[in-house]
Order: sequence, then C-alpha cells, then structure tokens
Amino acid sequence: KQEVTQIPAALSVPEGENLVLNCSFTDSAIYNLQWFRQDPGKGLTSLLLIQSSQREQTSGRLNASLDKSSGRSTLYIAASQPGDSATYLCAVQMIKAAGNKLTFGGGTRVLVKP
Amino acid sequence: EAQVTQNPRYLITVTGKKLTVTCSQNMNHEYMSWYRQDPGLGLRQIYYSMNVEVTDKGDVPEGYKVSRKEKRNFPLILESPSPNQTSLYFCASSLTGRVDTQYFGPGTRLTVL
Repeated sequence: KQEVTQIPAALSVPEGENLVLNCSFTDSAIYNLQWFRQDPGKGLTSLLLIQSSQREQTSGRLNASLDKSSGRSTLYIAASQPGDSATYLCAVQMIKAAGNKLTFGGGTRVLVKP
Repeated sequence: EAQVTQNPRYLITVTGKKLTVTCSQNMNHEYMSWYRQDPGLGLRQIYYSMNVEVTDKGDVPEGYKVSRKEKRNFPLILESPSPNQTSLYFCASSLTGRVDTQYFGPGTRLTVL
C-alpha cells in the first residue's frame, strides 16, 4: 500500500527565506507526482506536475524535483513571501491505482512572516 | 476561465435529509472524481468516473451515490446523510485521469447534525 509522508507538518520562516518542502513515498511505481497548494476554506490549486520520467519541473519561483528510486520529491520556493503562506500537499498517482486516484500526503502548513 | 465548480460551498443539514452536491467542469475532461478531506485522514477518494455513464467506487463509497449523465457534470448524492459524513468535499477532473494534471474544485463544507 502506497504511503505518502510530508515532513515537517508545519514550517515558519521569515519573508525572503527559501522554502524547502519534502515529500516521500513508499512505492516507486508511479505515473506522476503533483504538488498542490491549499488555502484555508479553499480548494486545491495545482502547482506542478512531475511525470515519473522527469527529474524536475519549474514554474516561476517554484521548483520541484523527483527522485523516483529513492521515493522522494522536494518543492523549493525561492524568496518566500507572506502570500506563500498555505498548506502544501503532494500527491502521487500510482500505475496500478484503481480509479486513477491520487494518494496524498498529510501536508506541510507554511507560515511566512513579514 | 477553465475551472471546476461546486455547489453549494457550505451546507448544514440534518440526518436523513437527502442532498446533492453538484460538480461541473468546463474543460471537456473525461475523468472526474470526488474526494473527502478529514483531519488526520487526509483526502480519500469516494467515487470516480472515467467517462459518461462510467462510474465506479473509490476507497470510501459507503453512503454516497454518483451519476455521470453528461460529460461536464458529476453530482454527489447523499440519500440519507449521517453525522459521520460531515466533511470537506472536493470534486476533481482531468483530461484522461492518467498522467494529466488533476484540477480540483473549491470544496463543499458539509455539516450533518
């Protein structure tokens, strides 16, 4: 059974510092890994999708890496801003997943202090 | 604007009173699914649909029904809601369901008294 873990569960940094969020998964037979952002009372916003054949994806200040063999992904957010405060979730889609479901980690709650 | 919409966004109801949460997407996606999010349990899939008239159970389907009569809509039906269905519900869609980005709706917060 796939297990997705995000450590730490919460993170507080001063504005301007780079953020490093970690995601680990136990089964490497995945199609892809997706990073989401969730704001309180709001839905999930897709940030980056990394296919299993890719090593990283970049979008603006965001960079996500994937090491499938070791079961790890890291989301880097450069020069953090207070507006980056949110919960960040990673999710994997397994090759044999019934229903094409995403298996989510528990999330990392980020607070960027001005 | 490409989006997944859900209605209502908030709902308080009583045990046993049938309700429907609507979900609609305007991206011509074939795949749609429903998740519920609970503290300590994360997001779990309830039902999914690979295409029109094709639906199947996810991990936690008990107490829920769905239908997919047209491509854009995928309503979630609770025929006799119970307090343990109090949760935050998300609808999601993607082009094929595999290797594609999955887009989520804004969520529906349901409270069953």
